[in-house]
Amino acid sequence: KAGVTQTPRYLIKTRGQQVTLSCSPISGHRSVSWYQQTPGQGLQFLFEYFSETQRNKGNFPGRFSGRQFSNSRSEMNVSTLELGDSALYLCASSLVGGAAGAVYEQYFGPGTRLTVT
Amino acid sequence: AQKVTQAQTEISVVEKEDVTLDCVYETRDTTYYLFWYKQPPSGELVFLIRRNSFDEQNEISGRYSWNFQKSTSSFNFTITASQVVDSAVYFCALSWLNNAGNMLTFGGGTRLMVKP
Repeated sequence: KAGVTQTPRYLIKTRGQQVTLSCSPISGHRSVSWYQQTPGQGLQFLFEYFSETQRNKGNFPGRFSGRQFSNSRSEMNVSTLELGDSALYLCASSLVGGAAGAVYEQYFGPGTRLTVT
Repeated sequence: AQKVTQAQTEISVVEKEDVTLDCVYETRDTTYYLFWYKQPPSGELVFLIRRNSFDEQNEISGRYSWNFQKSTSSFNFTITASQVVDSAVYFCALSWLNNAGNMLTFGGGTRLMVKP
């Protein structure tokens, strides 16, 4: 099975611009999560999507948004970029627990390294 | 509140030494899941293990072993006979059943350097 793919891998943007990052999950995985990794704050959860609905959202400003398509692919968007948005953005996909509930492991993509100048 | 603490920010060992990475967690939920991930220099997080709160059995996978102790809220990771390829940042993470989703709370990570 192909792993999680993310595009682009590297991106340089100017403050004030907006950016869209893309993620394709592992086939059969319907949950897609996004994380931001910075040296200062570590790995922080942004949001999670399942069945085209946002199920969970981390503590980030409204400039950060996302969506999921019917094929489970996901995009995240950051508007009005700030210098502090420079980070590695990681996408992860996982199976979703059934009626009895379960939390499955997430598989991560290689990330998109965003630099804001 | 859910929290994961990895007190060791950096560990340096010589090849073939055993090394233990500590992970302490906090949660009020009775059903939760603990994970370990490895992040090599390439940047991609690699899944190592998932353990639920009802399974306190220790696990061994090759040179890797995990010790889960609910009494001390710890989920420690031991690498036996370390190798240079084990050099990476290791993250412990927590998720719980009632978070309405798949949110992972990560610890700050432990950078392991294995010298030849």
